[in-house]
Amino acid sequence: EAGVAQSPRYKIIEKRQSVAFWCNPISGHATLYWYQQILGQGPKLLIQFQNNGVVDDSQLPKDRFSAERLKGVDSTLKIQPAKLEDSAVYLCASSSGQGHEKLFFGSGTQLSVL
Amino acid sequence: GENVEQHPSTLSVQEGDSAVIKCTYSDSASNYFPWYKQELGKRPQLIIDIRSNVGEKKDQRIAVTLNKTAKHFSLHITETQPEDSAVYFCAARLMGGKLIFGQGTELSVKP
Repeated sequence: EAGVAQSPRYKIIEKRQSVAFWCNPISGHATLYWYQQILGQGPKLLIQFQNNGVVDDSQLPKDRFSAERLKGVDSTLKIQPAKLEDSAVYLCASSSGQGHEKLFFGSGTQLSVL
Repeated sequence: GENVEQHPSTLSVQEGDSAVIKCTYSDSASNYFPWYKQELGKRPQLIIDIRSNVGEKKDQRIAVTLNKTAKHFSLHITETQPEDSAVYFCAARLMGGKLIFGQGTELSVKP
């Protein structure tokens, strides 16, 4: 079974630039999550999708972050403009969403904002 | 509020000894508690989980216990090996499906 795919693996940008991350969940998984993991901390949920609808985006900084999952499969997370404190690993995860809670994580995108 | 506290932040043990990591959660409606292992530069990997209707679960050298009344759960690793060295995260799932993670415990197993 293929896992959660993410790209790019690494990204270096300057502050005030924009950046986008892509995620392809495990086939058939209805629920998709974007987490931000700052070095030395646990993952923090940014947004949760159920199919193409948003379930929770309470911790998404909506003035600069946006995410979409238009066809209920792939998802993109965008930051515009980036700040220094956005430097982190952005992890995508998915679960089947049918009473099965197990989350499977992608390898993440390591973002450095200079 | 939604909060998961994890202790200790670092833990060093000798090979063969046991390691215990503890977490507390704030939302009494939480019903699912997974533990993840994350090696340096890699993705978090689920190692064991427990649901709120169970008090204990064991898988070879790893066990998890849950005390719903006190709102805390623990990870126990017996006969530790150097390859157990990693950062371990606990998490608690809220009724709406949101998974909240603890701050992580860096476990070091010395040969």
